[in-house]
Amino acid sequence: AQKVTQAQTEISVVEKEDVTLDCVYETRDTTYYLFWYKQPPSGELVFLIRRNSFDEQNEISGRYSWNFQKSTSSFNFTITASQVVDSAVYFCALITNDYKLSFGAGTTVTVRA
Amino acid sequence: EPEVTQTPSHQVTQMGQEVILRCVPISNHLYFYWYRQILGQKVEFLVSFYNNEISEKSEIFDDQFSVERPDGSNFTLKIRSTKLEDSAMYFCASRTGTSNTGELFFGEGSRLTVL
Repeated sequence: AQKVTQAQTEISVVEKEDVTLDCVYETRDTTYYLFWYKQPPSGELVFLIRRNSFDEQNEISGRYSWNFQKSTSSFNFTITASQVVDSAVYFCALITNDYKLSFGAGTTVTVRA
Repeated sequence: EPEVTQTPSHQVTQMGQEVILRCVPISNHLYFYWYRQILGQKVEFLVSFYNNEISEKSEIFDDQFSVERPDGSNFTLKIRSTKLEDSAMYFCASRTGTSNTGELFFGEGSRLTVL
C-alpha cells in the first residue's frame, strides 16, 4: 500500500516570502511517479509537476522548484517570492504500478499582501 | 489541447434523489477514474474503469454508486439515492493505455450538494 504524508496543514506567509511544502511518501514499488497539484478556491485540480522514481534531478521552473530525495522518500516543493495568487491548497500525490493516485491531505497556503 | 470535461459543474439535489455526473474523457484514453473530495479533505479514489468494466473500486464505492460508459464517449457516475455525506467535489480522470508518464488527466470537477 502507498501513503503520502503532508505534515503541514496550513502555511501563512507575507507576499514575497518563500514557501516550502513538505511531502513524504511510502511505497514498496520501485517504479512510481510523484506529483504536485494546486487547488485554488475555485476547486479544480491544477497539475504542477510530475517526477518519476528514476529521475532525481531537481528542477526550477519560474518561481517553482522541487527537491526529490529518494533516500528520504521526500518530494518537497518551494514557491519563491510568493504572490497572493499562489494562495491555494497544494496536494502531493503518488502513483505506482496500479495507477491509483494517492493524495496527501493537502497543505493550505495563504499568501497575505 | 485535449481535456477531460465534466458536467454539471455544480448540482444541488435533495437527499434520496438519484444523481448522474457526466464526464467526457480525452478521446484516445482507455482508462477512466472517479475521485471524490469532501470539502476540506483530501482527494480519494472511488473507482477505475477499463474495457467496459470496473477494474478496481474503493470501500467508499458501495452499492449506491455505479459507473458506465454508455456510448463510447461519456463516462458516468450514478449515485442511486443520495445522502448528505455524498456532498463533495467529484473528479473524473483518464489516461492512455500506453502512457509511461504516470499522468492522469483530471476534469475540473463536479460539485454535488445534497440537502
